[in-house]
Amino acid sequence: GAGVSQSPSNKVTEKGKDVELRCDPISGHTALYWYRQSLGQGLEFLIYFQGNSAPDKSGLPSDRFSAERTGGSVSTLTIQRTQQEDSAVYLCASSSDGGTYNEQFFGPGTRLTVL
Amino acid sequence: AQSVAQPEDQVNVAEGNPLTVKCTYSVSGNPYLFWYVQYPNRGLQFLLKYITGDNLVKGSYGFEAEFNKSQTSFHLKKPSALVSDSALYFCAVRDVTGRRALTFGSGTRLQVQP
Repeated sequence: GAGVSQSPSNKVTEKGKDVELRCDPISGHTALYWYRQSLGQGLEFLIYFQGNSAPDKSGLPSDRFSAERTGGSVSTLTIQRTQQEDSAVYLCASSSDGGTYNEQFFGPGTRLTVL
Repeated sequence: AQSVAQPEDQVNVAEGNPLTVKCTYSVSGNPYLFWYVQYPNRGLQFLLKYITGDNLVKGSYGFEAEFNKSQTSFHLKKPSALVSDSALYFCAVRDVTGRRALTFGSGTRLQVQP
């Protein structure tokens, strides 16, 4: 079946603009994660959704970052008033049981460049 | 808090030789441990995981990893490296009772020379 998909694959924006990044998880996966991969660094957790539970937002770096997940499926990560330090690859992942035992499946990422 | 350390930014090995990519972790409880690989311009791919049981875990593409609780390590190994194994490798951990999201190491670039 189809894997995790993300759009757009690349996004170039100007400082101060808002951007929306989309993630389509694997069908039936209840858990969805957003991570950020900055150049030369590892992956940084941003936010986690599990079913209808309140999301774990503990990784969001500032209140300019927000995310929602509609209908338990598609998720959108929004960055308001983008800054140059927001430039990174944003990765989405999903898993079938909240990640307790099963691995997370990652999408190809959205490369965000803030000029 | 949980953390992962990958002490080597890069590992170089000749094709056909054994390879080891090191990982140590810190969690307050019992760990779930994972290895992922990232090829250029592609997302992360799952290689293997340790949940419980046998300390030696076998995964995709001939890779294996050994869980060592006393040394809090989970080193990735392969008996005979291939040029196609050249990629960026990430170790990740989560505490059994903690946050569901993974904590990743900074990554180790594996370069296999022909």
